[in-house]
Amino acid sequence: AQSVTQLDSQVPVFEEAPVELRCNYSSSVSVYLFWYVQYPNQGLQLLLKYLSGSTLVESINGFEAEFNKSQTSFHLRKPSVHISDTAEYFCAVSGNNNDMRFGAGTRLTVKP
Amino acid sequence: EAGVTQSPTHLIKTRGQQATLRCSPISGHTSVYWYQQALGLGLQFLLWYDEGEERNRGNFPPRFSGRQFPNYSSELNVNALELEDSALYLCASSLIRGLVDGYTFGSGTRLTVV
Repeated sequence: AQSVTQLDSQVPVFEEAPVELRCNYSSSVSVYLFWYVQYPNQGLQLLLKYLSGSTLVESINGFEAEFNKSQTSFHLRKPSVHISDTAEYFCAVSGNNNDMRFGAGTRLTVKP
Repeated sequence: EAGVTQSPTHLIKTRGQQATLRCSPISGHTSVYWYQQALGLGLQFLLWYDEGEERNRGNFPPRFSGRQFPNYSSELNVNALELEDSALYLCASSLIRGLVDGYTFGSGTRLTVV
């Protein structure tokens, strides 16, 4: 079975600073990897995903994540954050059995 | 294309009562998943339904139950409500064959038990 560890429960940063949200996974099979974002009082929205191919994947709002098989990581990065990026971010992993496992979440707080 | 819809948005119940939460998946999705998100506890997997059958269940007591209807919509029932059942309940859907698109989530039902 797969599992996910998000290494930071809270990440405070100032506006326009870079940020990295860390995610490590474990699995005995090939995996799909996802990042979801949850704004207050809303459901989760898919931010980006890695299925295969290029190890660097990007979202439309400037986030990117890199799949690193040797380090079993899928860290999320953004070079310059905005106040509107304040949200909870969840890393998730799935194998080929419809079993998606979520990390505990990282609360990103962007301060002015 | 309509997303995953959940109803009601908010629900207030008294301890000991029953709550019924509803979910309509994206058209074409046959799998429905239920998660509980209590304050500070992340996403806790509750139930997975596909083709009308319960496929997997999380570590919750039997008073949490549900079903999936022939149109793939789903219902979550919580009996004998306890104060700690207060949480955001999220429904998600996906295609059964593989997860290349991940899950699509609804906006949730906020259940408050008083």
